[in-house]
Amino acid sequence: NAGVMQNPRHLVRRRGQEARLRCSPMKGHSHVYWYRQLPEEGLKFMVYLQKENIIDESGMPKERFSAEFPKEGPSILRIQQVVRGDSAAYFCASSPHLSYEQYFGPGTRLTVT
Amino acid sequence: DQQVKQNSPSLSVQEGRISILNCDYTNSMFDYFLWYKKYPAEGPTFLISISSIKDKNEDGRFTVFLNKSAKHLSLHIVPSQPGDSAVYFCAAISSNDYKLSFGAGTTVTVRA
Repeated sequence: NAGVMQNPRHLVRRRGQEARLRCSPMKGHSHVYWYRQLPEEGLKFMVYLQKENIIDESGMPKERFSAEFPKEGPSILRIQQVVRGDSAAYFCASSPHLSYEQYFGPGTRLTVT
Repeated sequence: DQQVKQNSPSLSVQEGRISILNCDYTNSMFDYFLWYKKYPAEGPTFLISISSIKDKNEDGRFTVFLNKSAKHLSLHIVPSQPGDSAVYFCAAISSNDYKLSFGAGTTVTVRA
């Protein structure tokens, strides 16, 4: 039973480019959460999605960031016009139902040069 | 605003001895607390949790203690083993919520 999968594991982008981070939840899980970890900080909640619905995006920056979880395929976190401050580790988690028992993926480390 | 704080960024302990990790929180609405363990290049994995109706929960070598009045919890690892070397995150949540609030983590190094 594969765990939460994220790709790419490492992503390097120049300032102004777009970054697309993908997350495939565990089999049977329809709830996806994205967290961001800045250097020297803990993980911070960004967005919670169910299939085809954004339920809570209260932790997302208002501009340049968007997320989706289509009916088919992985959840995608999209960052447009990246800036150096976007450099961080982005973790995706999933759960079979709305729950604090969330299973985390290995993360995508984004570096903006 | 950092609602969950781990004030010790690192801890070094000898193999076989006790590791004690501390965590403080400020939000009175938190009623469920979790510890996660994270190895480099991996995601956090759940270790142990405790509900606010309890003051202690034990699972093998891991014990979590909760002091609600002090808004403080701690994780004890006894005895510490080399495989315990990792980053440990304290997290908290309200039971009707889904947004985990994490501390900054404590890096534990177990010396042989």
